[in-house]
Amino acid sequence: SAVISQKPSRDICQRGTSLTIQCQVDSQVTMMFWYRQQPGQSLTLIATANQGSEATYESGFVIDKFPISRPNLTFSTLTVSNMSPEDSSIYLCSGLGTTSGRARDTQYFGPGTRLTVL
Amino acid sequence: SQQGEEDPQALSIQEGENATMNCSYKTSINNLQWYRQNSGRGLVHLILIRSNEREKHSGRLRVTLDTSKKSSSLLITASRAADTASYFCAAGNRDDKIIFGKGTRLHILP
Repeated sequence: SAVISQKPSRDICQRGTSLTIQCQVDSQVTMMFWYRQQPGQSLTLIATANQGSEATYESGFVIDKFPISRPNLTFSTLTVSNMSPEDSSIYLCSGLGTTSGRARDTQYFGPGTRLTVL
Repeated sequence: SQQGEEDPQALSIQEGENATMNCSYKTSINNLQWYRQNSGRGLVHLILIRSNEREKHSGRLRVTLDTSKKSSSLLITASRAADTASYFCAAGNRDDKIIFGKGTRLHILP
């Protein structure tokens, strides 16, 4: 399976501040995604991180709140901007499809970043 | 919005018994993936079944897919305490996105 790491693993932030989460994949992937998992809930797709261009956001998520970068095929960042307590969640990145012969349609996940906003 | 719906939402069984979890989805899919999540941790990919497959095995796991009923099931045989976790199905669409169900919380009793 692909190895995906995220930094930070957890953080506690003050209301109104921003946090950038990094996602690194151990091999090139064709697609990367960002998800949010609110306490006790399932995962909700935030956006598809597109390499070298603007991310594609799902309904209910906007670029001003969740700017995403993907400068190359193995790295992406998600920023949670102007945070409020409602943003307290686990944020997970995932990678799909690789150029190294792994199953193209299996989506692998990072360990997640647990964010608490006070 | 959620693509899949798992049932039951929670399941408690004795160690050694089999656990069956079901998933229904709404639209056509390319594949359906099952994941496990231990409390507060990341997702572990368990198995992927493609839309042209009906059954797949991996160790103690057996997954079935019925595209006519838009449903899938995950069977864990001879359950162990370490199987205690939340299990999610995720429907893979043609645009490579996967949409998660609400999950089943499985508790294996000693």
